[in-house]
Amino acid sequence: AAGVIQSPRHLIKEKRETATLKCYPIPRHDTVYWYQQGPGQDPQFLISFYEKMQSDKGSIPDRFSAQQFSDYHSELNMSSLELGDSALYFCASSLVGITEAFFGQGTRLTVV
Amino acid sequence: AQTVTQSQPEMSVQEAETVTLSCTYDTSENNYYLFWYKQPPSRQMILVIRQEAYKQQNATENRFSVNFQKAAKSFSLKISDSQLGDTAMYFCAFIHLNAGNMLTFGGGTRLMVKP
Repeated sequence: AAGVIQSPRHLIKEKRETATLKCYPIPRHDTVYWYQQGPGQDPQFLISFYEKMQSDKGSIPDRFSAQQFSDYHSELNMSSLELGDSALYFCASSLVGITEAFFGQGTRLTVV
Repeated sequence: AQTVTQSQPEMSVQEAETVTLSCTYDTSENNYYLFWYKQPPSRQMILVIRQEAYKQQNATENRFSVNFQKAAKSFSLKISDSQLGDTAMYFCAFIHLNAGNMLTFGGGTRLMVKP
């Protein structure tokens, strides 16, 4: 069965650069969530989208933005990168009304 | 705000034995779900088991079962017949249905299954 696809799997950026992470949800899933997991930490919710509209916002820095496109894929744009942004970024998808979210394999971002 | 607490940072168990991971949570709401996620060294987040708060019966999935004590706000995970492949980080997580479906995670418990 198709799963949540995230790209790239690994990304190395320098401070103050910009990064774009992509997420392709499971087909027919209409909701996408983004989570950030720092080293040795639990995942923290950043932002979610339902039917291309932002539905909830968590601890997402103002330097980050995200959107969901007409094909339901989502992109997380991160600007003015800081060392502290180094983390594993997960995308998850689900169907509205269904609580089970399926996670992608994550994008490991390293800021040097 | 909801909080999820896992008081055991690390645990170990011998292969084929049983281990219980603890989780407590804090919420003033009644409409919520609880989850256990497994994160092996590959870092993939894998759903292990789910419990609806309105259900009194404890959820089970093969070797995995929970002890859900709603009044005590406790949600422990029991792994029976532990296998080497169970070695992973385990996260307890919470969803409040009336406030979006985003997960709030506990700090995790690192489980090592020893041969």
